[in-house]
Amino acid sequence: QVQLVQSGAEVKKPGSSVKVSCKASGGAFSTYAFNWVRQAPGLGLEWMGGIIPIFGSAHYVEKFQGRISITADESSSTVYMDLSGLRSDDTAVYYCARDREMAKFKSLEHWGQGTLVTVSS
Amino acid sequence: DIQMTQSPTSLSASIGDRVTISCRASQTISDNLNWYQQKPGKAPKLLIYAASNLQSGVPSRFSGSGSGTDFTLTISSLQPEDFATYYCQQSDTTPSFGGGTKVEIK
Repeated sequence: QVQLVQSGAEVKKPGSSVKVSCKASGGAFSTYAFNWVRQAPGLGLEWMGGIIPIFGSAHYVEKFQGRISITADESSSTVYMDLSGLRSDDTAVYYCARDREMAKFKSLEHWGQGTLVTVSS
Repeated sequence: DIQMTQSPTSLSASIGDRVTISCRASQTISDNLNWYQQKPGKAPKLLIYAASNLQSGVPSRFSGSGSGTDFTLTISSLQPEDFATYYCQQSDTTPSFGGGTKVEIK
């Protein structure tokens, strides 16, 4: 079955960058949308952006434009989310999630275990 | 951007109760609406996709309805494992989530 395994927790200083990885197994990789969703402590879910590897280009929520980069490595079936200019309000659990349907950003069927990113001086 | 508004933000219910959660979109989204369940410390789980389609493996006591701007998630008979937070998500344009509804034990 499809599994998404994310990299481990990170502690970062304000102004620095973090790169979270998400390795997929058990299903097709290139033709599905991979999404990044974050959840600040005690708060709700926030879609940040996503990529369909076969198409190459990523899509981002406007609030993260200029700070976020989502890339995919088809050779290792791994998706990456790079967030720069970290602030304390970027402290959150970051999830990757694969879509249910091919080639669309529609519904998030498979989820990684989440990666806690803590931004603190 | 499309704003998603859920109501109520929380509710208390008993085992066996029928529970209804509402989700309203700031503009029409056809049937591009999904529902997720999240338990503390866990990733969300897809329950309903395209407004009314039950995801494989999800109990039939969960159902979704609606189209356009107004949507509903119904749990026909609340079970102990259903106490969780529920989120709607639109996928008509850039995806966005509602604020969540926490279902607690009365």
